[in-house]
Amino acid sequence: GAGVSQTPSNKVTEKGKYVELRCDPISGHTALYWYRQSLGQGPEFLIYFQGTGAADDSGLPNDRFFAVRPEGSVSTLKIQRTERGDSAVYLCASSLMGAPGGELFFGEGSRLTVL
Amino acid sequence: GQQVMQIPQYQHVQEGEDFTTYCNSSTTLSNIQWYKQRPGGHPVFLIQLVKSGEVKKQKRLTFQFGEAKKNSSLHITATQTTDVGTYFCAGPFIQGAQKLVFGQGTRLTINP
Repeated sequence: GAGVSQTPSNKVTEKGKYVELRCDPISGHTALYWYRQSLGQGPEFLIYFQGTGAADDSGLPNDRFFAVRPEGSVSTLKIQRTERGDSAVYLCASSLMGAPGGELFFGEGSRLTVL
Repeated sequence: GQQVMQIPQYQHVQEGEDFTTYCNSSTTLSNIQWYKQRPGGHPVFLIQLVKSGEVKKQKRLTFQFGEAKKNSSLHITATQTTDVGTYFCAGPFIQGAQKLVFGQGTRLTINP
């Protein structure tokens, strides 16, 4: 596709459930980022991939959060034992260049609501 | 401590007035980027500044990078209703880290 695609666009789940959020970056973009954005806040860095490897995962809040990018393209953010505080919009972005330079192209986001 | 501070947090102006947002870093930056997020939308890249003292213009928008490469500003001349949104600076605010960190943003609202 022409842009970054994220699915699902909306996810409502119950506390304690497992959730997967998918990101399909722009073709040819080697860098991929996951951010989390709460209402009225700036995007909060979670993890950055360069190719298949996580170059920086220092933003993952705890071990319930995990992300993979097995073939260097599509990435999946996995959240175990969801908590109400996990509710937010999860944004994925890709870039032709690695961090810290290079324009980020964002997807529309996946809105997660944990009841 | 806080790596980046963006001010003001909110700004409300009359259409036609000017608007400025400032981004201050505690570390020297290799580059800084600016993004705009419309209400309900996702961040969209506006520009990247790399050189000390650099000034770039995009129509009514003027972006500056400080001489010490620790601060930046975005100025909009004669605001229009289409300028409504939140403006974020983003950069490698944590020294030695590769991640791109976003500021808190300045939310601009405009009275037509």
